[in-house]
Amino acid sequence: DAGVIQSPRHEVTEMGQEVTLRCKPISGHNSLFWYRQTMMRGLELLIYFNNNVPIDDSGMPEDRFSAKMPNASFSTLKIQPSEPRDSAVYFCASPTDLTSGSSYNEQFFGPGTRLTVL
Amino acid sequence: AQKITQTQPGMFVQEKEAVTLDCTYDTSDPSYGLFWYKQPSSGEMIFLIYQGSYDQQNATEGRYSLNFQKARKSANLVISASQLGDSAMYFCAISTMNTGFQKLVFGTGTRLLVSP
Repeated sequence: DAGVIQSPRHEVTEMGQEVTLRCKPISGHNSLFWYRQTMMRGLELLIYFNNNVPIDDSGMPEDRFSAKMPNASFSTLKIQPSEPRDSAVYFCASPTDLTSGSSYNEQFFGPGTRLTVL
Repeated sequence: AQKITQTQPGMFVQEKEAVTLDCTYDTSDPSYGLFWYKQPSSGEMIFLIYQGSYDQQNATEGRYSLNFQKARKSANLVISASQLGDSAMYFCAISTMNTGFQKLVFGTGTRLLVSP
């Protein structure tokens, strides 16, 4: 298994531009999480999906951020328009199994996308 | 709401020595899971070890062990025989039953530097 795949690995854009980050979870994992990591705020959960349905988007900072999961093997996180304060590393993660009710919920992280907004 | 506190922004240890990274948690949920992740300078998040709230024994994974003190709400990570490759950021995290164990809440991390 290739693990969680994210693209691009690095993105540099100018303020006001639209940015789209992509994620392919581990095959067979029915859930997907998007996190943002900054020096100031640490690792923050933005949104997560179960079976392609958004469950909790309370961490999405504002309306400029949107996320979709059109199918079990693909998700996007879009920022429009981007701002310098959006500069961060964005991680996608897929967990072992959220449906079992077990407290064991290891999340497999992708390599992250380092976003720089100038 | 659940919370993780990691009070050590940085720790230093010499190679081959043991080191303890502190983690305290706050939750009113009786059922929860505790996790430690390692983030080397390359940036990826690597799962290290897990402890369930009802587990009777402390978790161990190779050189990693978790010193779980439930009454004190602490879940410290112990790395034995430190290696240069252990230099990284270490994050403690919790998931709780009231969120269906579906969310991980992370601490702010501890940066460990292992010197020769």
